[in-house]
Amino acid sequence: EDKVVQSPLSLVVHEGDTVTLNCSYEVTNFRSLLWYKQEKKAPTFLFMLTSSGIEKKSGRLSSILDKKELFSILNITATQTGDSAIYLCAVVGAGGTSYGKLTFGQGTILTVHP
Amino acid sequence: EPEVTQTPSHQVTQMGQEVILRCVPISNHLYFYWYRQILGQKVEFLVSFYNNEISEKSEIFDDQFSVERPDGSNFTLKIRSTKLEDSAMYFCASSALAGGNTEAFFGQGTRLTVV
Repeated sequence: EDKVVQSPLSLVVHEGDTVTLNCSYEVTNFRSLLWYKQEKKAPTFLFMLTSSGIEKKSGRLSSILDKKELFSILNITATQTGDSAIYLCAVVGAGGTSYGKLTFGQGTILTVHP
Repeated sequence: EPEVTQTPSHQVTQMGQEVILRCVPISNHLYFYWYRQILGQKVEFLVSFYNNEISEKSEIFDDQFSVERPDGSNFTLKIRSTKLEDSAMYFCASSALAGGNTEAFFGQGTRLTVV
């Protein structure tokens, strides 16, 4: 069974701080790892990583995957109050007849204070 | 920007009743999914749907649940004989390619409350 564990479960920082969110996984025939941001309702897509060691970057957010050690990190620099959300990590495996189901971690609740 | 839309945003139903949750996936997407999130818990996979049939389902997706693509745009989740423990946020998602090759986009969700 695929498994995703995120840490920390919650994090409180002040604006301007840099944060690192962790995601470790176990999956049959790894295909990809995805990061989502969940504010009030729907998870919104941030990054998809398939290759080890290649950083994906979007503004103040960046993410990297280590397929050997089975983990990924999501970095947010110069945090803003708008970054407050739950950050979800999910993996896709290619076992059996999988058509790409996402297995999610429990999420990291990030709170950024002014 | 194309988006996945879900209706209703909130549904309250009595235990034992049937509910239908509706989704309109992004128009050129071929793979459709339902997930649910019980309050305070992980987002859980329910079912994936491709080429007018279920391609994968989880243990949660038992005979109480069914999915349908009744026309070219809608994708529905039917829950028969609802139970209190079915109360959750239900998310529809779609992707252009098989998940893992491209990202899945999520709708805003339907909050189902069974009383």
